[in-house]
Amino acid sequence: DAGVTQSPTHLIKTRGQQVTLRCSPKSGHDTVSWYQQALGQGPQFIFQYYEEEERQRGNFPDRFSGHQFPNYSSELNVNALLLGDSALYLCASSLGQGLNYEQYFGPGTRLTVT
Amino acid sequence: GENVEQHPSTLSVQEGDSAVIKCTYSDSASNYFPWYKQELGKRPQLIIDIRSNVGEKKDQRIAVTLNKTAKHFSLHITETQPEDSAVYFCAASSTGNQFYFGTGTSLTVIP
Repeated sequence: DAGVTQSPTHLIKTRGQQVTLRCSPKSGHDTVSWYQQALGQGPQFIFQYYEEEERQRGNFPDRFSGHQFPNYSSELNVNALLLGDSALYLCASSLGQGLNYEQYFGPGTRLTVT
Repeated sequence: GENVEQHPSTLSVQEGDSAVIKCTYSDSASNYFPWYKQELGKRPQLIIDIRSNVGEKKDQRIAVTLNKTAKHFSLHITETQPEDSAVYFCAASSTGNQFYFGTGTSLTVIP
């Protein structure tokens, strides 16, 4: 039973560039949430996707956008990268929107913006 | 929105002693409180959770208590072992969709 997977594991980008991160949920899960974890901080909720639509959004600018595909996998896109976007980006999957609260996290993508 | 505060930020205990980490939350609508363990360079892993209709939950050496009136919940680890060393995060959610995390507690168990 495959857990949550994310790609790539590490990424280095330059200020102003755009980046796409990918996530495949745990088998049987249909809901994907994205979090940003700055060094030494707790994860901060970016948004959640269910049935290919963004259902909830945290306090992040429009530069952060996403997508969910019919197979439940998801992408996180960040435009016009800033140095402050450097962080570990975590994807978490769960079953149903608000039905089963338990979230499973992926290993994360470490993004460094120079 | 919800605000979750977590204390202490660092905690050192001798092997075999108990460790307690405390969190407070602000939104009385929050009804689900998970705890995650994150080892260096690894993903957060759920270790225990509690819902608002329960005051205490135990799983072997780990327990969580919830005081809804005071809006605080705590993680208790007994008989600590070196492999318990990690960063622990508390979280709160009212919908199961959006989770608010504390800032983490770095626990070191000294052999």
